[in-house]
Amino acid sequence: DAGVTQSPTHLIKTRGQQVTLRCSPKSGHDTVSWYQQALGQGPQFIFQYYEEEERQRGNFPDRFSGHQFPNYSSELNVNALLLGDSALYLCASSLIDRRSYEQYFGPGTRLTVT
Amino acid sequence: AQSVTQLDSQVPVFEEAPVELRCNYSSSVSVYLFWYVQYPNQGLQLLLKYLSGSTLVESINGFEAEFNKSQTSFHLRKPSVHISDTAEYFCAVSGMNSGYSTLTFGKGTMLLVSP
Repeated sequence: DAGVTQSPTHLIKTRGQQVTLRCSPKSGHDTVSWYQQALGQGPQFIFQYYEEEERQRGNFPDRFSGHQFPNYSSELNVNALLLGDSALYLCASSLIDRRSYEQYFGPGTRLTVT
Repeated sequence: AQSVTQLDSQVPVFEEAPVELRCNYSSSVSVYLFWYVQYPNQGLQLLLKYLSGSTLVESINGFEAEFNKSQTSFHLRKPSVHISDTAEYFCAVSGMNSGYSTLTFGKGTMLLVSP
């Protein structure tokens, strides 16, 4: 049973550029959440997708956007990159079924903005 | 909204010694509580969770945590640590206001186990 996968593993971008990160959820999961983990910090919730729509959003600017596809995979897009966007971006999948409440995390994408 | 405070950024301990990692939370709504572990260059793995019922919850590798509602705490303990327990530990909460579906994390505690 494949867990949550993310690509790419590492990425280096320049300020002002745009980036797209990808996530495939654990088999059977229908909900994808994205988190940003800056160095030395805990992960911060960016947004959550279910049924191809943004269901909830954290305190992040509109430069951060996402998409969920019919196969439940998801993309995170960041426009006009800032140095402060350098972080580990984690994808987590779960079931909207309220009996589980568990989120399964991928290994993350390390984004460096120079 | 919720917030989580992990009081220690780093906890050094010798192998086979006991350890406690402290976690306090603040919330105006009902919450569920979680501990996640992150090994170097890896994602987060769920260690244990409290949803309801017994306030003492245990993991399969010897960790336990106790939910204390009056003190709004969810401290993680292990009676005897191993070298392999060296990792970053994150306390997290999910609140009723989000349908318990999003997590708010603390800043993490680095557990350093030495021989």
